[in-house]
Amino acid sequence: QQQVKQSPQSLIVQKGGIPIINCAYENTAFDYFPWYQQFPGKGPALLIAIRPDVSEKKEGRFTISFNKSAKQFSLHIMDSQPGDSATYFCAAPSHSNYQLIWGAGTKLIIKP
Amino acid sequence: DGGITQSPKYLFRKEGQNVTLSCEQNLNHDAMYWYRQDPGQGLRLIYYSQIVNDFQKGDIAEGYSVSREKKESFPLTVTSAQKNPTAFYLCASSIVGQQETQYFGPGTRLLVL
Repeated sequence: QQQVKQSPQSLIVQKGGIPIINCAYENTAFDYFPWYQQFPGKGPALLIAIRPDVSEKKEGRFTISFNKSAKQFSLHIMDSQPGDSATYFCAAPSHSNYQLIWGAGTKLIIKP
Repeated sequence: DGGITQSPKYLFRKEGQNVTLSCEQNLNHDAMYWYRQDPGQGLRLIYYSQIVNDFQKGDIAEGYSVSREKKESFPLTVTSAQKNPTAFYLCASSIVGQQETQYFGPGTRLLVL
């Protein structure tokens, strides 16, 4: 119940395409869903996040879509660029032990 | 500039040796975390701390130890009991109760000689 399941494991998209990364969860107590972006050899950084009381959040070219009934959320990158090539992690906070439950990560490559 | 620093960037460990990874933050955060990342893998929690002089084991604490004597500092020791220590180690911090917003350091890559 504490898991966040992320797919796909890797994704290759042509420049300008719209990569979509999906996450699913079981624990209905999760109340915040952040996405982190990690470039090779660097630490992850918070990219965008959503609360379950909204169905969509946009920040620049990045959009989170949230489906509360299905317990799923996804990250879309509009007009993707080679500079978006990175590993993306979804996550959810556990309030029972103050940890952040991480998805397994998606390695995204945007081809020029 | 507020942030988290980790040192060294690269660390080499000999067989049977203990090594200590440094993590310092000036964000005034009470919560700090240590993660291990293996190539192509996700983040696994080693230890975390919510307050000075207190810390809890994460999912893979065996072979590691930590201390939290100061709010700003959370060093991680990789002991000789950790038989497969080669990995990328990441330190993070957050406000207590806001673990969804973590700030990460640049990481330390540990290699075994």
